[in-house]
Amino acid sequence: AQSVTQLGSHVSVSEGALVLLRCNYSSSVPPYLFWYVQYPNQGLQLLLKYTSAATLVKGINGFEAEFKKSETSFHLTKPSAHMSDAAEYFCAVRAYNQGGKLIFGQGTELSVKP
Amino acid sequence: DVKVTQSSRYLVKRTGEKVFLECVQDMDHENMFWYRQDPGLGLRLIYFSYDVKMKEKGDIPEGYSVSREKKERFSLILESASTNQTSMYLCASTGGSRSYNEQFFGPGTRLTVL
Repeated sequence: AQSVTQLGSHVSVSEGALVLLRCNYSSSVPPYLFWYVQYPNQGLQLLLKYTSAATLVKGINGFEAEFKKSETSFHLTKPSAHMSDAAEYFCAVRAYNQGGKLIFGQGTELSVKP
Repeated sequence: DVKVTQSSRYLVKRTGEKVFLECVQDMDHENMFWYRQDPGLGLRLIYFSYDVKMKEKGDIPEGYSVSREKKERFSLILESASTNQTSMYLCASTGGSRSYNEQFFGPGTRLTVL
């Protein structure tokens, strides 16, 4: 079975500090992985996706993620946090069945302190 | 600019009412999905559709049904709303032949059942 685990339901950083949001996956087939961001009372917006073309993936708003097969991880990072990064972040793996649904982690709420 | 729209951002209904949530996409996508979002649980798939009039159950279909009469429109129906269906509902669509194509999400409908 495929699954995604996000470590830490809440992460708080200071403005300008490194952002690190952790995601581990389980998949018996090569995974397609995604990070989405959700701002308050809005839908989900794609930050980046891993499609096996490159292990280091760059996304929007300065975010990037590295696929590490040996660690079954796909952690999201940003070198310097901005106040506008405060949101909820979801890691997801594409299922091989059910129409290619996304299997989501529980979400991590990022707070940025001034 | 691609778009997925949902008929209501906020909805308040009474127990036992029949509720319709509408979703429209303008990307000519084949696959459409309804997810439910609850704190600490991430997003869970209710139903999906891979073509007009074609639908399949997701992980939590109980108490819900769907309709897809036109390619661009996918409706979620709560036959008899209950308080445990109070939640955020998100519609998504995806298309194309590549497995790693991302899903595009609507803004969500926050449903409260009293």
